[in-house]
Amino acid sequence: LAKTTQPISMDSYEGQEVNITCSHNNIATNDYITWYQQFPSQGPRFIIQGYKTKVTNEVASLFIPADRKSSTLSLPRVSLSDTAVYYCLVALDMIYNQGGKLIFGQGTELSVKP
Amino acid sequence: DVKVTQSSRYLVKRTGEKVFLECVQDMDHENMFWYRQDPGLGLRLIYFSYDVKMKEKGDIPEGYSVSREKKERFSLILESASTNQTSMYLCASSLGDRDISEQYFGPGTRLTVT
Repeated sequence: LAKTTQPISMDSYEGQEVNITCSHNNIATNDYITWYQQFPSQGPRFIIQGYKTKVTNEVASLFIPADRKSSTLSLPRVSLSDTAVYYCLVALDMIYNQGGKLIFGQGTELSVKP
Repeated sequence: DVKVTQSSRYLVKRTGEKVFLECVQDMDHENMFWYRQDPGLGLRLIYFSYDVKMKEKGDIPEGYSVSREKKERFSLILESASTNQTSMYLCASSLGDRDISEQYFGPGTRLTVT
């Protein structure tokens, strides 16, 4: 079973770019990589999803190298309100191969300081 | 906006009680999920459902069952609650076959079993 690995915590300052990397060595061909943000006392919120290369939206960018064994969430110019826990999710072919799993990483606690 | 609601934010039950956690989504999503979230362990999938009356076990189904009689509603049942089931329970939904990873989460139910 694939495992995802993320740093437990990261610190940053307002205005900096933050990059959080998730390792997923056994990712399968049909899997997508998805990142979520979670604030205290709330459910996780979808940020971005990708399959390969680079994806960008109004909130973040997602970089996925050719081997797809890792992915990096990039948050440009963070603010205090970006302080949260960030999770990566690798969906292991769940619907088409029942018995697959959804594997969330342990989460990275990002602290943004003034 | 997708809305996922959970029946209670906080719940306190006694050991041995039967506990029902209800989740409702209003966007006609095919897939629904139940997770538990514990400090240091991230999100772990208990069960998911990809259609009415269909269910699949996740990573930690022991001690839990689920019911999906209507498309919009997914219930998690603790047949005989135990103290090790004290946790935050999160429900989520996603659109369909190719959107299992873009999940929308409810606010969570914090269950305490005494």
